[in-house]
Amino acid sequence: AQSVAQPEDQVNVAEGNPLTVKCTYSVSGNPYLFWYVQYPNRGLQFLLKYITGDNLVKGSYGFEAEFNKSQTSFHLKKPSALVSDSALYFCAVRDVSTGGFKTIFGAGTRLFVKA
Amino acid sequence: DAGVTQSPTHLIKTRGQQVTLRCSPKSGHDTVSWYQQALGQGPQFIFQYYEEEERQRGNFPDRFSGHQFPNYSSELNVNALLLGDSALYLCASSPSYPNSPLHFGNGTRLTVT
Repeated sequence: AQSVAQPEDQVNVAEGNPLTVKCTYSVSGNPYLFWYVQYPNRGLQFLLKYITGDNLVKGSYGFEAEFNKSQTSFHLKKPSALVSDSALYFCAVRDVSTGGFKTIFGAGTRLFVKA
Repeated sequence: DAGVTQSPTHLIKTRGQQVTLRCSPKSGHDTVSWYQQALGQGPQFIFQYYEEEERQRGNFPDRFSGHQFPNYSSELNVNALLLGDSALYLCASSPSYPNSPLHFGNGTRLTVT
């Protein structure tokens, strides 16, 4: 069965500093990995995905993520945080190699960026 | 180009009642997934519809059922509501390609009293 873990409930960072939001996953086959962001009272918004190829993927709003197969991780990063980045971030995995179509989400990490 | 639209935005129901939530997918998308997001938690997969059939289902009881129409819109029905069904219900659409991300609506906030 596929699963996603986000070990930090909350991440605090000062504006202008780099940020990292951690994610580890478990699937039986090759994973399709995604990051989404959620603002209050809104649906989730897609940030970036890893399907295959280069381990470093770039996405919206200056975010990037690094896929590490040996550590089964897909951490979200940004070189310089903005106050407007404060939101709830979700890592997600889809295991299509077993014929599955569902996307499984982690519990989320709340990011606070302080001015 | 309209994104994913859900209705209603808020709903209050009493235990034991039934509820129907509606979703119109983003233009060009033929696959609809439904998620339940309890307060402070990540979205939990309920089921996915493709070509008017339930393609995959999560660990939800049979009280949760759905439907997809020929225009790809979808409904989520919940019978015999429980207090624990109170949550944000999210609809997500996508093309049927396996590497496509989900596009979410803003959800329906269901409160069961």
